[in-house]
Amino acid sequence: DTAVSQTPKYLVTQMGNDKSIKCEQNLGHDTMYWYKQDSKKFLKIMFSYNNKELIINETVPNRFSPKSPDKAHLNLHINSLELGDSAVYFCASSQEVVGLAGQETQYFGPGTRLLVL
Amino acid sequence: AQSVSQHNHHVILSEAASLELGCNYSYGGTVNLFWYVQYPGQHLQLLLKYFSGDPLVKGIKGFEAEFIKSKFSFNLRKPSVQWSDTAEYFCAVNAKGTYKYIFGTGTRLKVLA
Repeated sequence: DTAVSQTPKYLVTQMGNDKSIKCEQNLGHDTMYWYKQDSKKFLKIMFSYNNKELIINETVPNRFSPKSPDKAHLNLHINSLELGDSAVYFCASSQEVVGLAGQETQYFGPGTRLLVL
Repeated sequence: AQSVSQHNHHVILSEAASLELGCNYSYGGTVNLFWYVQYPGQHLQLLLKYFSGDPLVKGIKGFEAEFIKSKFSFNLRKPSVQWSDTAEYFCAVNAKGTYKYIFGTGTRLKVLA
């Protein structure tokens, strides 16, 4: 009954490969996010989707493409992997209710540790 | 642009010492404020949050934080730390009415037994 789950947990791959990370939340939330945590533990938002629509797209190379087949899933596809893509990728979700305060807490997944060789 | 600063990058304390971690943000509007904790090898978990009302917020495991609007600060405190508090602590700010969160760079706390 994990709230936010990610697969795989670990991903080791060669430069130039294409890989995907999957995220699912069973909280009924409307909004999902992808974050990248680098080696210095700096956590930076990459994308956010609300009801399957892209609402935040930070300065991220277009090799990264999020896909939301439904509001419970937000997958991250990465083309032509580079060494600098090595990081921990966290998925998160939150329930945003317009006009109400107190619903903006994010719930994080366990992270996917990506190592590009 | 919004930003969040955590001035202490590394903190080392002995058990039973008191803890205060600083968090300052820059944003002129109304905000929601959060502290998250990341234990070694685990994902981020919410410690506490402030949305409105009493500026002194109590969270899990004996942590509390105080929102001082005039100082744009939301410092985290615990009167007596334990070895199990060893973790990375992240402050985060969300501008009300937006989906955007900004995280601080984190403070790595090590508590010596």
